[in-house]
Amino acid sequence: KAGVTQTPRYLIKTRGQQVTLSCSPISGHRSVSWYQQTPGQGLQFLFEYFSETQRNKGNFPGRFSGRQFSNSRSEMNVSTLELGDSALYLCASSGDPQSETQYFGPGTRLLVL
Amino acid sequence: GDSVTQMEGPVTLSEEAFLTINCTYTATGYPSLFWYVQYPGEGLQLLLKATKADDKGSNKGFEATYRKETTSFHLEKGSVQVSDSAVYFCARDHGGSNYKLTFGKGTLLTVNP
Repeated sequence: KAGVTQTPRYLIKTRGQQVTLSCSPISGHRSVSWYQQTPGQGLQFLFEYFSETQRNKGNFPGRFSGRQFSNSRSEMNVSTLELGDSALYLCASSGDPQSETQYFGPGTRLLVL
Repeated sequence: GDSVTQMEGPVTLSEEAFLTINCTYTATGYPSLFWYVQYPGEGLQLLLKATKADDKGSNKGFEATYRKETTSFHLEKGSVQVSDSAVYFCARDHGGSNYKLTFGKGTLLTVNP
């Protein structure tokens, strides 16, 4: 099976712009979670989607949003970018409600100038 | 709240040395516990997991035992290799169908030949 894929792998944006990141889960997985990784804050949970519904949300401002499509692919959007949004954004998918194991993609590295 | 505390690095070892990376978690609920590894420029890879007390997770020579009495999940390997150089993250979930992981800060391991 192919793993979790994320596009693009690298992005450079300027303050005030918006950005959309994409994640394709492992085939058959219906849960997609997003995490932000920064040197200062480490790995922080953004939100999780299951069957097109957001089930959990982390402690991030409303500028961070996401959605999931009927094929389980997910996108996250960050509006009005700030310098502090520079980070590695990781997507993870999970399929088995009993195993609770999340499989991560390679991430999208966002640099905000 | 729920948290994971792991030993701060960096940790530098010689090849074939014994490795221990300490990890403790807050004892709320009945979490599953995980160790993930991140190689330079990559996303997270699941290294091992344990889902209940006294379970031992193992993979690639790494082991960790879920200790409920000490709320710990220390990572060990008897003989490290240069290829084990990476950042290691301890994580817990929040049970049920809540696909949210809380991570420790990560421990950078460097193994010298």
